[in-house]
Amino acid sequence: QQQVKQSPQSLIVQKGGISIINCAYENTAFDYFPWYQQFPGKGPALLIAIRPDVSEKKEGRFTISFNKSAKQFSLHIMDSQPGDSATYFCAASKGSNYQLIWGAGTKLIIKP
Amino acid sequence: DVKVTQSSRYLVKRTGEKVFLECVQDMDHENMFWYRQDPGLGLRLIYFSYDVKMKEKGDIPEGYSVSREKKERFSLILESASTNQTSMYLCASTPGGVNTEAFFGQGTRLTVV
Repeated sequence: QQQVKQSPQSLIVQKGGISIINCAYENTAFDYFPWYQQFPGKGPALLIAIRPDVSEKKEGRFTISFNKSAKQFSLHIMDSQPGDSATYFCAASKGSNYQLIWGAGTKLIIKP
Repeated sequence: DVKVTQSSRYLVKRTGEKVFLECVQDMDHENMFWYRQDPGLGLRLIYFSYDVKMKEKGDIPEGYSVSREKKERFSLILESASTNQTSMYLCASTPGGVNTEAFFGQGTRLTVV
């Protein structure tokens, strides 16, 4: 019940296309869903986050879509650029920030 | 800018050695974490600390211990390094409160031979 399942494991998208990464969770007590972006040789950094009281959050080209009934959330990257090539992690937590539960990660490659 | 600094980018150690990984944060954060990152497995929590001298086991604490003598410093100790501990180790910190942003160090790539 603590798992967050992320797919796909890897993704190749042409420049200008839409990149979509999906995550599913089981624990309905989760109330915070962040996405982190990790470039090679760096630690992950917060990209965007959502709480379950909204169905969508947009920041620039990055959008989180949240489906509470299906217990799924996804990251959409519009007009994908080569600079977006990175590993993306979804995560979930409840109440306290002590236990962020992480997805397995998606390696995204944007082809010029 | 919040900075989380890990003492080494790359380490090569021999089986059986005692290994120390150091992490320092400069933003007075209450919480500090050690994760292990392996391909296809995401980030797995080894230990975390919510206060000086306090520590809690994460999901994979076996073979590891931690020390937090000062608020800004969190050390990960491999008591007797083994080849299956070859991995990327990431330190993170968060301020107190609920659902706050985690700030990560750049990682330490440890190879045990």
